Amino acid sequence: QQQVRQSPQSLTVWEGETAILNCSYEDSTFNYFPWYQQFPGEGPALLISIRSVSDKKEDGRFTIFFNKREKKLSLHITDSQPGDSATYFCAFSAGNKLTFGIGTRVLVRP
Amino acid sequence: EAAVTQSPRSKVAVTGGKVTLSCHQTNNHDYMYWYRQDTGHGLRLIHYSYVADSTEKGDIPDGYKASRPSQENFSLILELASLSQTAVYFCASSWTGGSQNTLYFGAGTRLSVL
Repeated sequence: QQQVRQSPQSLTVWEGETAILNCSYEDSTFNYFPWYQQFPGEGPALLISIRSVSDKKEDGRFTIFFNKREKKLSLHITDSQPGDSATYFCAFSAGNKLTFGIGTRVLVRP
Repeated sequence: EAAVTQSPRSKVAVTGGKVTLSCHQTNNHDYMYWYRQDTGHGLRLIHYSYVADSTEKGDIPDGYKASRPSQENFSLILELASLSQTAVYFCASSWTGGSQNTLYFGAGTRLSVL
């Protein structure tokens, strides 16, 4: 039962470009959508999140776009920096349990 | 200072042996979780707990037990370790009193079953 789909599995961009990561879900009860960032050898950490009542959330160079009707969301990383190289997980919640996507490994080349 | 501490950070176990992974949090959070991470599967929930002396099954509980002896401590137990349980295991904590369910993860335990 695959409730969450995340793509692409890996992505390489040049410094300064915009990286776009995508997620989709099936369960209509999901109402909270965080994105977690994980660096090698570390645990994931919350990067940015959005609730289903909003269609956009911005935090610096990171922006979530949310389409509730199509059950899709995307994370845009503008002006990508080498320090943004990490694995990014979308996640979904309707309570205290989070369901994670498989992750997108992002590499930013200088 | 790390608020969620896992031990050991890495472990090699033999097939059929017993493995215990430990987690300690100083966040004063009520919820604690165990996830495993595998390439191609992301993070999958094994067990979680919302109060001491009680645990709940997650999405992939088979082959694992959990123990929450106190609010601060949460253990994951593999009674009969198998090759398929080779993975990186993450413990996390969260607080239900906030406006959003933010998970705070430990640094992970890399388990190799041979």
